[in-house]
Amino acid sequence: AQKITQTQPGMFVQEKEAVTLDCTYDTSDQSYGLFWYKQPSSGEMIFLIYQGSYDEQNATEGRYSLNFQKARKSANLVISASQLGDSAMYFCAMRVKGAQKLVFGQGTRLTINP
Amino acid sequence: DVKVTQSSRYLVKRTGEKVFLECVQDMDHENMFWYRQDPGLGLRLIYFSYDVKMKEKGDIPEGYSVSREKKERFSLILESASTNQTSMYLCASREGPANEKLFFGSGTQLSVL
Repeated sequence: AQKITQTQPGMFVQEKEAVTLDCTYDTSDQSYGLFWYKQPSSGEMIFLIYQGSYDEQNATEGRYSLNFQKARKSANLVISASQLGDSAMYFCAMRVKGAQKLVFGQGTRLTINP
Repeated sequence: DVKVTQSSRYLVKRTGEKVFLECVQDMDHENMFWYRQDPGLGLRLIYFSYDVKMKEKGDIPEGYSVSREKKERFSLILESASTNQTSMYLCASREGPANEKLFFGSGTQLSVL
């Protein structure tokens, strides 16, 4: 079975600082994908970034990067130069190749202070 | 842009009522999903559908059923709502099984009194 663990229920960061949101995963499969989604107060889940298990480079999308450490089974999200609009819930998720569903972590509520 | 629309943002129902949550996507996606979101538990899959009239149970299907009569519409049904079904319900769609990205609706916050 697959499992995603996000150990930080909440984080508070000053505006313009970089922030790292932790995510560890557990699977015995070799082929899988890792995702991060953002959920603002409006409720909609917004896709941020994707990393495949065989991708050699860490994924980056603008201010978002995924620090993928396969041996440690971690997939931390790094947000550079945080902005007030980054305040939201953040979910890490995994999909094993061949499976239909995404498995989600518990989420981390990020608050950016001015 | 893909749009996934959930019919209600907030819904209040009474115990024992039959509840329909509707979800429509406008991009001809094959796969559609219903998740339930609870604090501290993240999102858990209730049901998914990989084509019209095709469905599979997710991790927590008890107390729920689904209907997919048309490709664009995926309905979640609570046959007899109970207070433990008070939750945020999120619908999502995906182009096909080979695609990775899920597109989500804005969610329906259901309260069962």
